[in-house]
Amino acid sequence: QVQLVQSGSELKKPGASVKVSCKASGYSFTGYAMNWLRQAPGQGFEWMGWINPNTGNPTYAQGFTGRFVFSLDTSVTTAYLQISSLQAEDTAVYYCARDNFAGGTSTLDHWGQGTLVTVSS
Amino acid sequence: QAVLTQPASLSASPGASASLTCTLRSGINVGTYMIYWYQQKPGSPPQYLLRYKADSDKQQGSGVPSRFSGSKDASANAGILLISGLQSEDEADYYCMIWHSRSWVFGGGTKLTVL
Repeated sequence: QVQLVQSGSELKKPGASVKVSCKASGYSFTGYAMNWLRQAPGQGFEWMGWINPNTGNPTYAQGFTGRFVFSLDTSVTTAYLQISSLQAEDTAVYYCARDNFAGGTSTLDHWGQGTLVTVSS
Repeated sequence: QAVLTQPASLSASPGASASLTCTLRSGINVGTYMIYWYQQKPGSPPQYLLRYKADSDKQQGSGVPSRFSGSKDASANAGILLISGLQSEDEADYYCMIWHSRSWVFGGGTKLTVL
């Protein structure tokens, strides 16, 4: 079965960096784009962008350029999100989500369990 | 004005039906969009329920019971998630989502209470 398993919670100080991993299994990793989203405490979802698993080319949503980097390691079927210069406003649960593109329609059909990143001094 | 607006909360009784709405901003025609619905319980990631564009273009998520269904109200410019035969386990937050202006956009979510 499809599984996306993310790395554990992180506590970071402002200005630090963090790298979140998303280990995929149960499907062909290079056949599906990987999206990243976040949910601040008690809030809704923000889509951060996606990465093409074949080319490694990332696409960042508005507001997520510069400090945010998506990457992949296909040899271990893992996607990564790195955030630099962390700010308190980055405190959120970060999710990876698979894009199942079929019949001309995308669906974010499987999500990782989420990684809580807390930024606090 | 937000792209997608959902009522913050809704209450319904076990066994009843609940209709959750997702209203698109004026100027964005619901008829042209696929509406996606997710269920999220505390401490868990969202679970994909279904997507709906028209009766001829819809998909139920894998393992999602048929008592969850999608529709649209064109007069209200809204997508609708209908949950029939409510069960206590349906108590959760429900989010709608669309692909708009080259981005995934979410509604603010509706907290459904079953009591």
